[in-house]
Amino acid sequence: NAGVTQTPKFQVLKTGQSMTLQCAQDMNHEYMSWYRQDPGMGLRLIHYSVGAGITDQGEVPNGYNVSRSTTEDFPLRLLSAAPSQTSVYFCASSSRRGSGNEQFFGPGTRLTVL
Amino acid sequence: QQQVKQSPQSLIVQKGGIPIINCAYENTAFDYFPWYQQFPGKGPALLIAIRPDVSEKKEGRFTISFNKSAKQFSLHIMDSQPGDSATYFCAASFSGGYNKLIFGAGTRLAVHP
Repeated sequence: NAGVTQTPKFQVLKTGQSMTLQCAQDMNHEYMSWYRQDPGMGLRLIHYSVGAGITDQGEVPNGYNVSRSTTEDFPLRLLSAAPSQTSVYFCASSSRRGSGNEQFFGPGTRLTVL
Repeated sequence: QQQVKQSPQSLIVQKGGIPIINCAYENTAFDYFPWYQQFPGKGPALLIAIRPDVSEKKEGRFTISFNKSAKQFSLHIMDSQPGDSATYFCAASFSGGYNKLIFGAGTRLAVHP
């Protein structure tokens, strides 16, 4: 199993540009999440999904959109990038089975907005 | 408002030392407290987790101590090694189903040979 994969690994955008960060998992996990990691602030939840077709907002959703058309994929869209969105983005998945708590993280996407 | 406070921000120990990282939480309804380990350029990975019905949990050289009355929990790394150098995050959530993990700010640990 590849686990959780993310593309691209690095991206530089100009203010106002849009882009989609890709995330896929092959563990048949029901739950998927997007986090951003900033120095001194830990990981903060952007959006999450409890199944295909179901998404909800996390702690810092403004400026980001998500959709979940399949169990495997959970893309994160930046509609109009801003310098405040410069961060490292992590996608994670977890299973509804058992306690459902352990989250498996992807390798991250480092985004710079100029 | 930060619901999980982690300290220290950074920590340097010599090989064989016992680094201790502390976390405090506010919501008494939390019942799942994991620690994640992150190496540079990688995503975080679950290291060890505890639920409030026990006061201590050990897995290899890693121990979580939990004090429910004080709303605090800590990570101890016994016989630390240079390979333990990483950033450590504590977190808290509710168990069962999808529950949002609330992370601490992280502690950057360096273990010198």
